[in-house]
Amino acid sequence: AQSVTQPDIHITVSEGASLELRCNYSYGATPYLFWYVQSPGQGLQLLLKYFSGDTLVQGIKGFEAEFKRSQSSFNLRKPSVHWSDAAEYFCAVKSPGRRALTFGSGTRLQVQP
Amino acid sequence: DAGVIQSPRHEVTEMGQEVTLRCKPISGHNSLFWYRQTMMRGLELLIYFNNNVPIDDSGMPEDRFSAKMPNASFSTLKIQPSEPRDSAVYFCASVFTGTANTGELFFGEGSRLTVL
Repeated sequence: AQSVTQPDIHITVSEGASLELRCNYSYGATPYLFWYVQSPGQGLQLLLKYFSGDTLVQGIKGFEAEFKRSQSSFNLRKPSVHWSDAAEYFCAVKSPGRRALTFGSGTRLQVQP
Repeated sequence: DAGVIQSPRHEVTEMGQEVTLRCKPISGHNSLFWYRQTMMRGLELLIYFNNNVPIDDSGMPEDRFSAKMPNASFSTLKIQPSEPRDSAVYFCASVFTGTANTGELFFGEGSRLTVL
């Protein structure tokens, strides 16, 4: 069965600082991988996705993620965080033969001025 | 383009009452998903439909929950009778599942249910 682990429940960074949110997955082959962001009271918005090819993926809002097969990881990064990035971030995995996504437990990002 | 539309956005009800949540997927999408989000359990898949047919309902908590998709543009999630532990945010999501797609889901803004 596929699963996703986000080890950090809550992260606080200063505005302008760099950010890395961790995500590890468990799946026998290479799954499709996603990062979503959820602002308070809102639905989930796709930031980026990986399914094949270049292991460094660029997304919206200046985010990027790197797929590392050897580490079963898909960490999300941003070089300089803005106050508007404060939100909850979810990593998700989908096996090619399955339609539904399995989500991690989420990481809540707080941005200090 | 309109996204996934859910209603109501907020619902407060008393234990034992029937609750119906509604979802209109993005036009042209042929798969629809219901997820539940709680602090304790995160985002859980309840059920999903493909071409209006329920494919996997193993996440539906119990018989009090039922979901239907009478046509390609409408789905309902019903809880009868509702209980306080059903309090959560219920999300609907849709996607077009054809060839050459990676399957990212498009989410509605959710229905926040509070059962007193």
